[in-house]
Amino acid sequence: QKEVEQDPGPLSVPEGAIVSLNCTYSNSAFQYFMWYRQYSRKGPELLMYTYSSGNKEDGRFTAQVDKSSKYISLFIRDSQPSDSATYLCAMTRGGGGNKLTFGTGTQLKVEL
Amino acid sequence: GAVVSQHPSRVICKSGTSVKIECRSLDFQATTMFWYRQFPKQSLMLMATSNEGSKATYEQGVEKDKFLINHASLTLSTLTVTSAHPEDSSFYICSARARDRGYEQYFGPGTRLTVT
Repeated sequence: QKEVEQDPGPLSVPEGAIVSLNCTYSNSAFQYFMWYRQYSRKGPELLMYTYSSGNKEDGRFTAQVDKSSKYISLFIRDSQPSDSATYLCAMTRGGGGNKLTFGTGTQLKVEL
Repeated sequence: GAVVSQHPSRVICKSGTSVKIECRSLDFQATTMFWYRQFPKQSLMLMATSNEGSKATYEQGVEKDKFLINHASLTLSTLTVTSAHPEDSSFYICSARARDRGYEQYFGPGTRLTVT
């Protein structure tokens, strides 16, 4: 079993839809959670960074962390064709290691 | 803020030659830099972690004599692929963790290496 599970998709939605992307994880030591967006042949771009459980909102993006369920989500409101990309969740326990553990990424396509 | 650059963005080299890739944090000091490799339609594979002024820590299965990493300053790390072979062809991405921020990493745009 992988430490972080993420549905690879592809996920196809119409423009304007609310998109829900999710990851589950098995390591209860993870405390810092990130969502990255990666366009084809580009480096990942940090979208959201959260610590422990709770919600964080930034524009059209909302990140949720439920540590009790080991489940994190990214919601995209009013989705646009420019949101079409691969979304990677990542997490770390922090401390000296600093390494991120990534999900496999979910490919999202927002259609006109 | 938190911009990371990589150079070159694309390189083609002949088998047996060496290639150097540079990674720079442009507007912050990076305590730690990371090097990843990514195959098509796959997630990122961490190759090594480097801290300024110290030797890199390589992940299991990554040959440290083949992938030389130098972290010369708080804003520059280099990855040299030595004696490159076609199987080294891949997308190489660096990232950096900022000295005065949390555990998030900021990624460069990537370098596509093709070995012929």
